[in-house]
Amino acid sequence: QSALTQPPSASGSPGQSVTISCTGTSSDVGGYNYVSWYQQHPGKAPKLMIYEVSKRPSGVPDRFSGSKSGNTASLTVSGLQAEDEADYYCCSYAGSNNRGVFGGGTKLTVL
Amino acid sequence: EVQLVESGGGLVKPGGSLRLSCAASGFTFSSYSMNWVRQAPGKGLEWVSSISSSSSYIYYADSVKGRFTISRDNAKNSLYLQMNSLRAEDTAVYYCARELPAARAAFDIWGQGTMVTVSS
Repeated sequence: QSALTQPPSASGSPGQSVTISCTGTSSDVGGYNYVSWYQQHPGKAPKLMIYEVSKRPSGVPDRFSGSKSGNTASLTVSGLQAEDEADYYCCSYAGSNNRGVFGGGTKLTVL
Repeated sequence: EVQLVESGGGLVKPGGSLRLSCAASGFTFSSYSMNWVRQAPGKGLEWVSSISSSSSYIYYADSVKGRFTISRDNAKNSLYLQMNSLRAEDTAVYYCARELPAARAAFDIWGQGTMVTVSS
């Protein structure tokens, strides 16, 4: 199972919006509404930011939103803040034998 | 406080074995599917294995199938990963992660990770 495709980097100034894409296939992203997004700061464990394409866990700011069209999912961070600078990973369910295929990660820089 | 704490990592020679443990607290461990996810140094995340709440369903990534065994002890609130025939490419931080009920590939609680280094 190949990893999902994410851009290696993204950036934006404080207050701006940035969107990170995650491209898979009809066997993963396009086949299920089970896409999640994780934020990871250096040396820390990942943190769930979005699940089931667009749902936010309790405590995650509504500046973070998710969507999906076909085989591509997207994470949008609005009103960028300095603390949003981190690595972001998408993940998709890909069937019972592959419970989670991750993207390669995107390093978000707040300029 | 909901918490997962991994242990058991270390340095092992190629072909060797290691057993990782993950101690859960602050939630009803027996109600959740659990997973192992790893991250090689400077690399991205890779799902490794999953076990359902009652151990009825177990899944592995192709990269570890036949070499790794996931298990759990609900009485001890613990998750395990037995790793055999270790290879250099298994070198990574190993995280245990709780899966949200009825939400596939949604890992809402993570441990701090334990480092496994496979080297001669």
